Amino acid sequence: GAVVSQHPSRVICKSGTSVKIECRSLDFQATTMFWYRQFPKQSLMLMATSNEGSKATYEQGVEKDKFLINHASLTLSTLTVTSAHPEDSSFYICSARDAGSAEAFFGQGTRLTVV
Amino acid sequence: KQEVTQIPAALSVPEGENLVLNCSFTDSAIYNLQWFRQDPGKGLTSLLLIQSSQREQTSGRLNASLDKSSGRSTLYIAASQPGDSATYLCAVQRWEGKLIFGQGTELSVKP
Repeated sequence: GAVVSQHPSRVICKSGTSVKIECRSLDFQATTMFWYRQFPKQSLMLMATSNEGSKATYEQGVEKDKFLINHASLTLSTLTVTSAHPEDSSFYICSARDAGSAEAFFGQGTRLTVV
Repeated sequence: KQEVTQIPAALSVPEGENLVLNCSFTDSAIYNLQWFRQDPGKGLTSLLLIQSSQREQTSGRLNASLDKSSGRSTLYIAASQPGDSATYLCAVQRWEGKLIFGQGTELSVKP
């Protein structure tokens, strides 16, 4: 299957700082990428849909000014958690969808801990 | 609004037993349905994908079925092994690519 690389896998940051997470499709072009968040013992919840060259679409309840998404190329989308707080600590995972594929390919996820 | 429900939430079985995990969804207008495996603290591993026009998919000891009209899918695991212990997630994909996940079934296979 297609490979999606997500970096970093783990990050610890201080409260008030910003953290950037990268999601790359390695062997296909992803016109659409999705960002999910998973709290402990809970399922994945979609945060936003990222389309190459256009603004991201955020799900209800997700602050677009806090979770900045950039999809500048067909192989890279970034999620920046701005002014992080302990309640932002979570597992963030991206997925990428090839325009010609029915399958969603997932990155390895990023464990964010804000102290 | 699409809702995905998985039953049971947790399951513990002895090694070698066959088992069935259930997934139901409220809106039958899906593009496909996928089953994933997630190990603790890890990302997702795609197990099986069933297109909306298909009834089932098989991979090794895994078999997934889809009944779109009734909004149900099952994941059948044959001859379970301790290495199968993980959380199994069901997700329905909308036409634009969004996945709606169930809460997962935490499976424990005891040696």
